[in-house]
Amino acid sequence: GDSVTQMEGPVTLSEEAFLTINCTYTATGYPSLFWYVQYPGEGLQLLLKATKADDKGSNKGFEATYRKETTSFHLEKGSVQVSDSAVYFCALSSTDKLIFGTGTRLQVFP
Amino acid sequence: NAGVTQTPKFRILKIGQSMTLQCTQDMNHNYMYWYRQDPGMGLKLIYYSVGAGITDKGEVPNGYNVSRSTTEDFPLRLELAAPSQTSVYFCASNFLAGKSQETQYFGPGTRLLVL
Repeated sequence: GDSVTQMEGPVTLSEEAFLTINCTYTATGYPSLFWYVQYPGEGLQLLLKATKADDKGSNKGFEATYRKETTSFHLEKGSVQVSDSAVYFCALSSTDKLIFGTGTRLQVFP
Repeated sequence: NAGVTQTPKFRILKIGQSMTLQCTQDMNHNYMYWYRQDPGMGLKLIYYSVGAGITDKGEVPNGYNVSRSTTEDFPLRLELAAPSQTSVYFCASNFLAGKSQETQYFGPGTRLLVL
């Protein structure tokens, strides 16, 4: 069945460091891909998405490119801030449902 | 718009007790979902609904029941609480016209502790 694999956390970075969180997927067909973010004590909210191969989703300085050849959707940010500390979930669409990865906790220190 | 609201925020149950987790959305979404999030784990789908009167099982439906009598409300019922149901429960909703999944909007969650 369809699945999503994310790198395990926590990822610990200093402010202004470069961030990469890896995400790979297995799917039949052509799913849409998503990154959701969960700030402490809150529900998930959409960060960015891409609906077809080679699309780049971007928001708040984060970006991810839908790579069909490597079945990947890695999340990147050039310069992280303390306020980016959160749990990040990669997800794919599977018919009428979303399949989520296990989440990657990011901790950014001043 | 309030979006997706959930009540209560936190609840402690004794083993064998029952309770209903409430979820309401005011965006006229046809699809609604219930997930659970265990510590350090991702989200697992419990039940979902494609519209009023229609519900279907997700990945982990055992021990739960749902109903969808209106577009706005999608309550989740625990009949006989067990320690394994200790978790954070999230409700979500979206509007789907076809089969392609679109952005889901999440509520703030209900933290449940079963002792």
